[in-house]
Amino acid sequence: DARVTQTPRHKVTEMGQEVTMRCQPILGHNTVFWYRQTMMQGLELLAYFRNRAPLDDSGMPKDRFSAEMPDATLATLKIQPSEPRDSAVYFCASGFGNEQFFGPGTRLTVL
Amino acid sequence: KNEVEQSPQNLTAQEGEFITINCSYSVGISALHWLQQHPGGGIVSLFMLSSGKKKHGRLIATINIQEKHSSLHITASHPRDSAVYICAVTGPVSNTGNQFYFGTGTSLTVIP
Repeated sequence: DARVTQTPRHKVTEMGQEVTMRCQPILGHNTVFWYRQTMMQGLELLAYFRNRAPLDDSGMPKDRFSAEMPDATLATLKIQPSEPRDSAVYFCASGFGNEQFFGPGTRLTVL
Repeated sequence: KNEVEQSPQNLTAQEGEFITINCSYSVGISALHWLQQHPGGGIVSLFMLSSGKKKHGRLIATINIQEKHSSLHITASHPRDSAVYICAVTGPVSNTGNQFYFGTGTSLTVIP
């Protein structure tokens, strides 16, 4: 039963610390998405990769956020330095074309 | 200004009722998605469609490209359908990728 996995599932950290979230997409999928969900803003697209190349990261604050795909089995989202307003659930999704399968999310709390 | 508008925001129904959730959008799209998010937080992609109608079990999704409108129907609703339903659209494909726009979601509660 192929599924998208994300680690960690929960992360509590202090303001100013670096946070790294990881995503393992489903084997064979050529697109990977990073989303952020908050009560205030709902779901927002942060970054989007196709065949490991970043296609769209316009939704991401560039000064502190970075997204990479070092290989086809791993996507990472880093926040450095983290701020309390980054507290949210971060979802990774993978797919083929426009179809998407979501991971369980990483719940991040920045104190 | 929201590129994607959903209605209603909240919906309560009795078990067995026929439910309709609406989505209107203002941008050109390559596809429209209906997502389901259960109280536990997990998100499932229910449908991706660019024209016509799709059916999966008790769920039916329709889209009218000319009117920029989509509906999600649930027949014979059940308490396990209680969730937030999110409409999302992807803009035209380009070399720089897609634009994604999300509705704010419709919270559905189905009462036994």
